[in-house]
Amino acid sequence: EAGVAQSPRYKIIEKRQSVAFWCNPISGHATLYWYQQILGQGPKLLIQFQNNGVVDDSQLPKDRFSAERLKGVDSTLKIQPAKLEDSAVYLCASSLEPGLAAEAFFGQGTRLTVV
Amino acid sequence: AQKITQTQPGMFVQEKEAVTLDCTYDTSDPSYGLFWYKQPSSGEMIFLIYQGSYDQQNATEGRYSLNFQKARKSANLVISASQLGDSAMYFCAMREGNTNAGKSTFGDGTTLTVKP
Repeated sequence: EAGVAQSPRYKIIEKRQSVAFWCNPISGHATLYWYQQILGQGPKLLIQFQNNGVVDDSQLPKDRFSAERLKGVDSTLKIQPAKLEDSAVYLCASSLEPGLAAEAFFGQGTRLTVV
Repeated sequence: AQKITQTQPGMFVQEKEAVTLDCTYDTSDPSYGLFWYKQPSSGEMIFLIYQGSYDQQNATEGRYSLNFQKARKSANLVISASQLGDSAMYFCAMREGNTNAGKSTFGDGTTLTVKP
């Protein structure tokens, strides 16, 4: 079974530029998460999708971050314009279903450096 | 207030010995789930073990067990017979609420180093 695919693995941009990350979850997984992991910290949930609908985006900085999952499968996360503090690893995860016990499977992440 | 607290930034353990990684949590929701993940230096998060708030018994998965003390709001991970490959960052996480959203919160992690 293929895992969660993310691209690119690494990205370096200058502040005020825009960037987009792509995630393809495990086939059949209805729930998709985007997390931001700053160096030395645990992942912070940015947005959670159930199929193509947003169920939680309370921690997404909506003035600069946006995410979509148009067909309920793959997803993109965009930052525009980027700030220095956006430097982090962006992790995508998916689970078969929502719910307390649902195991989330993570991709390898995209490491973003903003200079 | 921190919802998940991992007080040990770093831990060392001798190969083949057992080690306990601490995790305390804070929630007023009666329904919640607690998870432990391992993050090796390669970066991917690997699910280890799950404990539900209504589970009567402590969860176990192979060499991993979760010491769940509900009244103390603690969910410590015990790794038995440590192996060199266990060296990694370990995260405790909580998912609250019996809804579709199920907010997820992670602690800041504990770096475990297994010594040969």
